[in-house]
Amino acid sequence: DAGITQSPRYKITETGRQVTLMCHQTWSHSYMFWYRQDLGHGLRLIYYSAAADITDKGEVSDGYVVSRSKTENFPLTLESATRSQTSVYFCASRTEGLREQYFGPGTRLTVT
Amino acid sequence: AQRVTQPEKLLSVFKGAPVELKCNYSYSGSPELFWYVQYSRQRLQLLLRHISRESIKGFTADLNKGETSFHLKKPFAQEEDSAMYYCALSGRNRDDKIIFGKGTRLHILP
Repeated sequence: DAGITQSPRYKITETGRQVTLMCHQTWSHSYMFWYRQDLGHGLRLIYYSAAADITDKGEVSDGYVVSRSKTENFPLTLESATRSQTSVYFCASRTEGLREQYFGPGTRLTVT
Repeated sequence: AQRVTQPEKLLSVFKGAPVELKCNYSYSGSPELFWYVQYSRQRLQLLLRHISRESIKGFTADLNKGETSFHLKKPFAQEEDSAMYYCALSGRNRDDKIIFGKGTRLHILP
């Protein structure tokens, strides 16, 4: 399913480093989302975007930055990685009309 | 407050037995309900949406507005059903986001 891809799939980084996770979708979906998945917490929304150049915070946005200069890309940057940001990160997208979201394969990030 | 509750973190069921994954929600309005499934180390996939009233992989889910529930059911469990299941809710406004429950891990015993 090449519609929505994420890179890298696995990343190990050190505390304090800046890390960028990439998300790319080929469907021209208006909406894009970033989640983190942690045991006991399920999926938590980090940031979302309704269109290019429009982004908004989710419930766990501290320490993260996003941009959306093009409809198809929605990179997530950890400005100064902390161990608490060790997680699996999922990107998702949806059309303007339908509510269901389509997910990327995830990026497993470890901060040492 | 908008909320999705999945009361079971883990559900173990024998192969061939019926499965019911519980989902209750709190929402002031008329939401759309979904079930997502995540197989081991894979992406989340949409399993069901209540507006379609469909059966996928033998699973069905009925929206009960009176009980504010959207339980997922399957009459006969199969080993390949072992996965993480998330119930999710969305409002019907343009910018409404999906709210996910914390998930239930379904383990099918041989």
